Amino acid sequence: IAGITQAPTSQILAAGRRMTLRCTQDMRHNAMYWYRQDLGLGLRLIHYSNTAGTTGKGEVPDGYSVSRANTDDFPLTLASAVPSQTSVYFCASSDSSPSDTQYFGPGTRLTVL
Amino acid sequence: GQNIDQPTEMTATEGAIVQINCTYQTSGFNGLFWYQQHAGEAPTFLSYNVLDGLEEKGRFSSFLSRSKGYSYLLLKELQMKDSASYLCAVRDGDYKLSFGAGTTVTVRA
Repeated sequence: IAGITQAPTSQILAAGRRMTLRCTQDMRHNAMYWYRQDLGLGLRLIHYSNTAGTTGKGEVPDGYSVSRANTDDFPLTLASAVPSQTSVYFCASSDSSPSDTQYFGPGTRLTVL
Repeated sequence: GQNIDQPTEMTATEGAIVQINCTYQTSGFNGLFWYQQHAGEAPTFLSYNVLDGLEEKGRFSSFLSRSKGYSYLLLKELQMKDSASYLCAVRDGDYKLSFGAGTTVTVRA
């Protein structure tokens, strides 16, 4: 079934370590997004990419970086993880319909100790 | 920044109707979305409103008033599987999506 995959499903990470969360979509969507979801705060946009080769900062970009080398992949990197980055991370992509609806991957649960 | 408010929790009985309200203040407006999220799962798209009025899709309906910065999601004939969190999201003038914190709906038998 076509859609968005994320890896890993969950990860426990020591503070200071580098970590890359992977996201791949096979729907040929131009735009992709990374969100974090924390209890009581809802989903917050970290970074986005409107098309391959371009990226932009969202609401909470500090401590994260992204790249978009091709249409399908949009990895999120934590250069030096800190405990405040403990969260559930969702990748999303949007279609080209008039509503530009975003579709979400299954998420990665990250714990930084 | 964006300000999107929705109630934290609601409880209703199986077969009943529940209305989840959402108020928003954003820089520009390019549509309002409702998503459903079951515990431990990804958000899934429910509805989209860009013009004032009611959009009906089976047991779920969504209403928008742009002048009042207000929307609601109406869930009819509630089923146990409707127990989930419902997220209101607004797309602003820069076409970025901002989410409310979500409303957890519990359906009781």
